[in-house]
Parts: sequence; structure tokens; C-alpha cells
Amino acid sequence: DADVTQTPRNRITKTGKRIMLECSQTKGHDRMYWYRQDPGLGLRLIYYSFDVKDINKGEISDGYSVSRQAQAKFSLSLESAIPNQTALYFCATSLTDYNEQFFGPGTRLTVL
Amino acid sequence: GQNIDQPTEMTATEGAIVQINCTYQTSGFNGLFWYQQHAGEAPTFLSYNVLDGLEEKGRFSSFLSRSKGYSYLLLKELQMKDSASYLCAVRPASGAGSYQLTFGKGTKLSVIP
Repeated sequence: DADVTQTPRNRITKTGKRIMLECSQTKGHDRMYWYRQDPGLGLRLIYYSFDVKDINKGEISDGYSVSRQAQAKFSLSLESAIPNQTALYFCATSLTDYNEQFFGPGTRLTVL
Repeated sequence: GQNIDQPTEMTATEGAIVQINCTYQTSGFNGLFWYQQHAGEAPTFLSYNVLDGLEEKGRFSSFLSRSKGYSYLLLKELQMKDSASYLCAVRPASGAGSYQLTFGKGTKLSVIP
């Protein structure tokens, strides 16, 4: 079984809709991250969580919110989706700030 | 600010050696990662350099020069399955913000027969 899972894997929605992307991990890591990847722009950090009680904004947090429901679960919400949020979204985990990050399989989101 | 430069695309022949360069200008430095990403898949970790020098791991090696703000990933005995994007990511100085890896835009490597 995969250590980091994301649901859904693909989602098509309309402008203005609320969307939640979910991430679960079985690695026992405290650090969890949400990134988006756009062609030609690379991976950009949206939010980061040290643990259940510590959540931090990343480079591009506007238009997004997150919830860390448990050590193993970190959800990303788009309160009112817009077309320029169409992207590939990745969740990742790491043991500490100095260890490699393990990525989930990604969620391809299309906002029409 | 953070700036990381990598070539956009490279092509190499099966069985050959290829070097993918990465240059960075960041506010402090506390390590550099290389990740491999096949099309439509998740990035996977390849290497981590924090001190100057060469780190070898099988067919892949990674080099770092902190004074020059430069790293490269060396792939030997290229195989078709090495066709992928290679992402360079820099960790800024320790302390606040040290968790925010800055990723380059990636180098798409195509291996041809």
C-alpha cells in the first residue's frame, strides 16, 4: 500500500464551487505539505504543517485553506474555485525539515 | 529572494552519460535536493547535498559547490526509463522558513535509442 495517498485523483469542477482535496499518510511523519505544480512553473508550496497544532502559509496560500485533522491527515480546501487554480496538486510528508519529502500521487484539478 | 535555474530540456542517448546543471541564488543555503519526476507521477527523492563535493549513489551522482551556487546531477549508463523531469530544490538557511524548499522548474530529459 502507498505511504502517502490523495483523494480524489482527478476532479473537474466549476467556478465558484467549494472543493476539498484530502491527503493521508502512514509514514508517521509530523511534517506535511501541500504543493501545486503548473507547467513551466515548477512546484510551489501552498501550506505547511509542523504538527496538528501548527500550520503555516507557503508561497501561494491566497485562495486556499487547510485543516490538519490528525497526524495522518491534511486537507486542502478551495473555498470558491477559480480557473487559474487548475493545476496538479501534491501532498508531501517528511520526518524533519532536513529529510527528503515523500510525495503522494497527485490530484489533477480542473476548474471550468 | 530565491532563484533556481536549470535547463528546460535535454536529450541524451541510451548508454551515455548526461549532466544536468542547477544554479541557485537564495537567501542563505542549507542543503540541495534532487528529485526525479516521471510524466504525470509524483516526484521521488534522488539525492541530498549539504556539503561541497560529490555524492555517488549507483548510476546517479550529485555534486555541490556552495561557493559557486552550483550543483549537478550526473546520470551514467542511461536507460530509457531515465526519461523524466529532474527537479533541483534548495533549502534556505536554518530557522524560520527553512521548511520552504524552493524548486527549480525542472529539466525534462529524453533518452533516445
